[in-house]
Amino acid sequence: QVQLQESGPGLVKPSQTLSLTCTVSGDSISSSTYYWGWIRQPAGKGLEWIGRIYTSGSTNYNPSLKSRVTILADKSKNQFSLQLISVTAADTAVYYCARENHGSDSWGQGTLVTVSS
Amino acid sequence: DIQMTQSPSSLSASVGDRVTITCRASQGISNYLAWIQMKPGKAPKSLIYSASSLQSGVPSKFSGSGSGTEFTLTINSLQPEDFATYYCQQYNSYPLTFGGGTKVEIK
Repeated sequence: QVQLQESGPGLVKPSQTLSLTCTVSGDSISSSTYYWGWIRQPAGKGLEWIGRIYTSGSTNYNPSLKSRVTILADKSKNQFSLQLISVTAADTAVYYCARENHGSDSWGQGTLVTVSS
Repeated sequence: DIQMTQSPSSLSASVGDRVTITCRASQGISNYLAWIQMKPGKAPKSLIYSASSLQSGVPSKFSGSGSGTEFTLTINSLQPEDFATYYCQQYNSYPLTFGGGTKVEIK
Protein backbone atom coordinates (compact mmCIF):
# COMPACT_ATOMS: atom_id res chain seq x y z
CA GLN A 1 0.00 0.00 0.00
CA VAL A 2 1.47 3.33 -1.04
CA GLN A 3 2.25 5.91 1.64
CA LEU A 4 3.23 9.52 1.13
CA GLN A 5 4.79 11.81 3.72
CA GLU A 6 5.38 15.53 3.37
CA SER A 7 8.32 17.22 5.07
CA GLY A 8 9.81 20.68 5.20
CA PRO A 9 9.86 23.94 7.14
CA GLY A 10 6.62 24.95 8.81
CA LEU A 11 7.48 28.63 8.71
CA VAL A 12 8.68 30.64 5.72
CA LYS A 13 9.34 34.37 5.55
CA PRO A 14 7.54 36.53 2.99
CA SER A 15 9.35 36.84 -0.36
CA GLN A 16 11.36 33.67 0.35
CA THR A 17 11.02 30.20 -1.19
CA LEU A 18 8.79 27.48 0.19
CA SER A 19 10.38 24.04 -0.25
CA LEU A 20 8.69 20.75 0.57
CA THR A 21 9.58 17.13 -0.06
CA CYS A 22 7.29 14.15 -0.43
CA THR A 23 8.73 10.75 0.43
CA VAL A 24 6.95 7.82 -1.19
CA SER A 25 6.95 4.28 0.14
CA GLY A 26 5.16 1.22 -1.16
CA ASP A 27 5.37 2.40 -4.77
CA SER A 28 7.96 3.82 -7.15
CA ILE A 29 7.77 7.32 -8.56
CA SER A 30 9.45 5.78 -11.60
CA SER A 31 6.24 3.89 -12.33
CA SER A 32 4.74 4.69 -15.71
CA THR A 33 1.24 4.35 -14.28
CA TYR A 34 1.09 7.40 -12.06
CA TYR A 35 1.74 11.08 -11.78
CA TRP A 36 2.87 12.64 -8.49
CA GLY A 37 1.51 15.97 -7.43
CA TRP A 38 0.87 18.69 -4.89
CA ILE A 39 -2.38 20.17 -3.59
CA ARG A 40 -2.92 22.83 -0.95
CA GLN A 41 -5.70 24.08 1.29
CA PRO A 42 -5.64 27.44 3.07
CA ALA A 43 -7.37 27.42 6.45
CA GLY A 44 -11.13 27.55 6.01
CA LYS A 45 -10.88 27.49 2.23
CA GLY A 46 -11.10 25.01 -0.59
CA LEU A 47 -8.57 22.70 -2.18
CA GLU A 48 -6.23 24.02 -4.88
CA TRP A 49 -4.34 21.72 -7.23
CA ILE A 50 -0.76 23.01 -7.64
CA GLY A 51 0.77 20.68 -10.20
CA ARG A 52 2.24 17.26 -10.94
CA ILE A 53 5.25 15.44 -12.35
CA TYR A 54 5.54 12.27 -14.40
CA THR A 55 8.36 9.73 -14.37
CA SER A 56 9.70 11.24 -17.58
CA GLY A 57 10.13 14.54 -15.77
CA SER A 58 7.32 16.25 -17.63
CA THR A 59 5.23 18.57 -15.50
CA ASN A 60 1.85 20.28 -15.48
CA TYR A 61 1.19 23.32 -13.31
CA ASN A 62 -1.85 25.31 -12.32
CA PRO A 63 -1.72 28.47 -14.47
CA SER A 64 -2.51 30.52 -11.37
CA LEU A 65 0.82 29.46 -9.85
CA LYS A 66 2.87 28.47 -12.86
CA SER A 67 5.25 31.44 -12.75
CA ARG A 68 6.29 30.59 -9.18
CA VAL A 69 6.18 26.78 -9.00
CA THR A 70 8.69 24.04 -9.74
CA ILE A 71 8.12 20.33 -9.09
CA LEU A 72 11.12 18.02 -9.30
CA ALA A 73 11.67 14.30 -8.78
CA ASP A 74 14.59 12.43 -7.19
CA LYS A 75 14.15 8.85 -8.32
CA SER A 76 17.17 7.64 -6.31
CA LYS A 77 15.41 8.65 -3.10
CA ASN A 78 11.87 7.96 -4.35
CA GLN A 79 10.96 11.54 -3.51
CA PHE A 80 9.50 14.50 -5.30
CA SER A 81 9.59 18.11 -4.25
CA LEU A 82 7.76 21.41 -4.48
CA GLN A 83 9.36 24.81 -4.69
CA LEU A 84 7.25 27.95 -4.55
CA ILE A 85 9.11 31.23 -4.88
CA SER A 86 8.25 34.74 -3.70
CA VAL A 87 5.73 33.59 -1.13
CA THR A 88 3.21 35.84 0.59
CA ALA A 89 0.72 35.33 3.41
CA ALA A 90 -1.73 34.06 0.79
CA ASP A 91 0.47 30.97 0.40
CA THR A 92 -0.15 29.94 4.00
CA ALA A 93 -1.89 26.56 3.77
CA VAL A 94 -1.78 22.87 4.47
CA TYR A 95 0.20 21.31 1.63
CA TYR A 96 -0.52 17.75 0.53
CA CYS A 97 1.38 15.49 -1.80
CA ALA A 98 -0.64 12.94 -3.72
CA ARG A 99 -0.42 10.18 -6.28
CA GLU A 100 -2.54 10.78 -9.34
CA ASN A 101 -4.39 8.02 -11.09
CA HIS A 102 -8.02 8.71 -11.95
CA GLY A 103 -7.74 11.84 -9.85
CA SER A 104 -5.74 12.08 -6.64
CA ASP A 105 -6.03 8.52 -5.38
CA SER A 106 -3.55 8.47 -2.48
CA TRP A 107 -2.61 11.39 -0.26
CA GLY A 108 -0.14 12.30 2.44
CA GLN A 109 -1.39 13.64 5.78
CA GLY A 110 -0.44 17.18 4.84
CA THR A 111 1.90 19.71 6.38
CA LEU A 112 1.06 23.22 7.50
CA VAL A 113 3.23 25.95 6.07
CA THR A 114 2.85 29.44 7.49
CA VAL A 115 4.24 32.47 5.70
CA SER A 116 5.11 35.11 8.27
CA SER A 117 7.99 37.31 9.29
CA ASP B 1 -10.75 26.35 -15.52
CA ILE B 2 -13.68 24.02 -14.89
CA GLN B 3 -15.72 25.18 -11.90
CA MET B 4 -17.11 22.50 -9.60
CA THR B 5 -20.13 23.41 -7.48
CA GLN B 6 -21.15 21.19 -4.59
CA SER B 7 -24.39 21.22 -2.67
CA PRO B 8 -25.21 21.40 0.09
CA SER B 9 -22.16 22.97 1.73
CA SER B 10 -23.12 21.25 4.97
CA LEU B 11 -25.76 18.89 6.26
CA SER B 12 -26.78 17.35 9.55
CA ALA B 13 -27.75 13.70 9.63
CA SER B 14 -28.28 10.91 12.12
CA VAL B 15 -26.53 7.56 12.37
CA GLY B 16 -28.30 5.19 9.99
CA ASP B 17 -29.46 7.91 7.58
CA ARG B 18 -28.82 7.97 3.86
CA VAL B 19 -27.31 11.18 2.51
CA THR B 20 -26.80 12.47 -1.02
CA ILE B 21 -24.32 15.12 -2.12
CA THR B 22 -24.44 16.77 -5.53
CA CYS B 23 -21.58 18.09 -7.63
CA ARG B 24 -22.05 20.11 -10.83
CA ALA B 25 -19.37 20.91 -13.37
CA SER B 26 -19.35 24.15 -15.36
CA GLN B 27 -18.80 22.12 -18.53
CA GLY B 28 -18.98 18.48 -19.47
CA ILE B 29 -16.31 16.27 -17.93
CA SER B 30 -17.57 12.87 -19.11
CA ASN B 31 -17.06 10.62 -16.08
CA TYR B 32 -13.71 12.03 -14.99
CA LEU B 33 -14.83 12.68 -11.44
CA ALA B 34 -13.57 11.51 -8.06
CA TRP B 35 -14.98 11.82 -4.56
CA ILE B 36 -12.62 12.42 -1.64
CA GLN B 37 -13.24 12.18 2.11
CA MET B 38 -11.35 14.47 4.47
CA LYS B 39 -11.09 14.27 8.25
CA PRO B 40 -9.02 16.61 10.44
CA GLY B 41 -5.48 15.35 11.02
CA LYS B 42 -5.84 12.38 8.68
CA ALA B 43 -4.72 11.77 5.14
CA PRO B 44 -7.55 12.49 2.70
CA LYS B 45 -9.04 9.35 1.25
CA SER B 46 -10.24 8.80 -2.29
CA LEU B 47 -13.57 6.95 -2.25
CA ILE B 48 -14.73 6.88 -5.85
CA TYR B 49 -13.19 7.46 -9.27
CA SER B 50 -14.63 7.53 -12.77
CA ALA B 51 -17.81 8.89 -11.15
CA SER B 52 -19.04 5.50 -9.98
CA SER B 53 -16.13 3.11 -9.39
CA LEU B 54 -15.25 2.30 -5.80
CA GLN B 55 -11.61 2.53 -4.76
CA SER B 56 -10.20 -0.70 -3.37
CA GLY B 57 -11.21 -1.23 0.24
CA VAL B 58 -14.00 1.35 0.26
CA PRO B 59 -17.26 -0.09 1.63
CA SER B 60 -20.17 -0.50 -0.74
CA LYS B 61 -22.33 1.86 1.28
CA PHE B 62 -20.62 4.58 -0.72
CA SER B 63 -21.86 4.96 -4.28
CA GLY B 64 -21.47 7.50 -7.02
CA SER B 65 -23.36 8.28 -10.18
CA GLY B 66 -23.55 10.78 -12.99
CA SER B 67 -21.91 11.84 -16.18
CA GLY B 68 -21.36 15.04 -18.09
CA THR B 69 -22.06 17.88 -15.69
CA GLU B 70 -24.06 16.42 -12.81
CA PHE B 71 -22.87 13.90 -10.26
CA THR B 72 -23.98 12.52 -6.92
CA LEU B 73 -22.36 10.77 -3.99
CA THR B 74 -24.67 8.68 -1.82
CA ILE B 75 -23.76 7.30 1.58
CA ASN B 76 -26.08 4.62 2.92
CA SER B 77 -26.51 3.83 6.60
CA LEU B 78 -24.36 6.67 7.91
CA GLN B 79 -21.99 5.59 10.67
CA PRO B 80 -19.97 7.72 13.14
CA GLU B 81 -16.79 7.26 11.08
CA ASP B 82 -18.54 8.76 8.04
CA PHE B 83 -18.90 12.20 9.57
CA ALA B 84 -16.37 14.15 7.55
CA THR B 85 -16.05 16.64 4.71
CA TYR B 86 -16.51 15.34 1.17
CA TYR B 87 -15.09 16.90 -1.98
CA CYS B 88 -15.59 16.18 -5.64
CA GLN B 89 -12.62 16.52 -7.99
CA GLN B 90 -12.66 16.70 -11.77
CA TYR B 91 -9.70 15.33 -13.68
CA ASN B 92 -11.00 15.81 -17.20
CA SER B 93 -8.70 18.77 -17.85
CA TYR B 94 -6.01 20.89 -16.27
CA PRO B 95 -5.90 22.39 -13.83
CA LEU B 96 -7.64 19.74 -11.79
CA THR B 97 -10.32 21.43 -9.70
CA PHE B 98 -12.36 20.63 -6.63
CA GLY B 99 -15.81 21.40 -5.36
CA GLY B 100 -16.17 23.58 -2.29
CA GLY B 101 -16.84 20.63 0.00
CA THR B 102 -19.80 19.24 1.93
CA LYS B 103 -19.43 18.89 5.68
CA VAL B 104 -21.51 16.02 7.04
CA GLU B 105 -22.24 16.58 10.71
CA ILE B 106 -24.02 14.60 13.38
CA LYS B 107 -27.57 15.72 14.08
